[in-house]
Amino acid sequence: DIVMTQGALPNPVPSGESASITCQSSKSLLHSNGKTYLNWYLQRPGQSPQLLIYWMSTRASGVSDRFSGSGSGTDFTLKISSVEAEDVGVYYCQQFLEYPWTFGGGTKLELK
Amino acid sequence: QVQLQRSGAELVKPGSSVKISCKASGYTFTSYDMHWIKQQPGNGLEWIGWIYPGNGNTKYNPKFNGKATLTADKSSSTAYLHLSSLTSEDSAVYFCARRGLPGYFDYWGQGVMVTVSS
Repeated sequence: DIVMTQGALPNPVPSGESASITCQSSKSLLHSNGKTYLNWYLQRPGQSPQLLIYWMSTRASGVSDRFSGSGSGTDFTLKISSVEAEDVGVYYCQQFLEYPWTFGGGTKLELK
Repeated sequence: QVQLQRSGAELVKPGSSVKISCKASGYTFTSYDMHWIKQQPGNGLEWIGWIYPGNGNTKYNPKFNGKATLTADKSSSTAYLHLSSLTSEDSAVYFCARRGLPGYFDYWGQGVMVTVSS
């Protein structure tokens, strides 16, 4: 299985500051079609996860442009510029290159 | 609008089985995979598998072989997750999620809490 490892945030994050969440995969997620099969989700407290970013760097419909995704084949970053109260929750990366699809362990963002 | 409506929370005994449902609306049910994801209390997300309601094809995480069975009823646009031989390790919230193209989960159900306890 592809193992997804997420880094921690130096919580709490001051409101208005930027935050970067890292995710590392045990295998390159770069597909032969040139796309990287890595998604990001946010799970707010008490809610279901919601899609933020797909194909490593494409924002999902309706997602604020304060969210951006970047990376290489195995190392990825979700950056949140100017953190707001609505950004609080747990962030997950997920690979869909190979079965079984796997998620990172999650990164919690708390607001100061 | 797309909606995935869950069934209610379940309290079940060890060794028994449970079947939870996810009723889809707002889109063509038979045209999208439906996935199921497990979340144990305080833990992360674990992919169980998918079913394509159009033809009933399924794909499972090997970890859930023998534990989970996915089915779908086209007439009611409802997907089902059946869990058997339940233990405390199966106590979790179970989400259904639609797979958008190409491989992300674009809509999620609210999650069904299953508690296994005697």
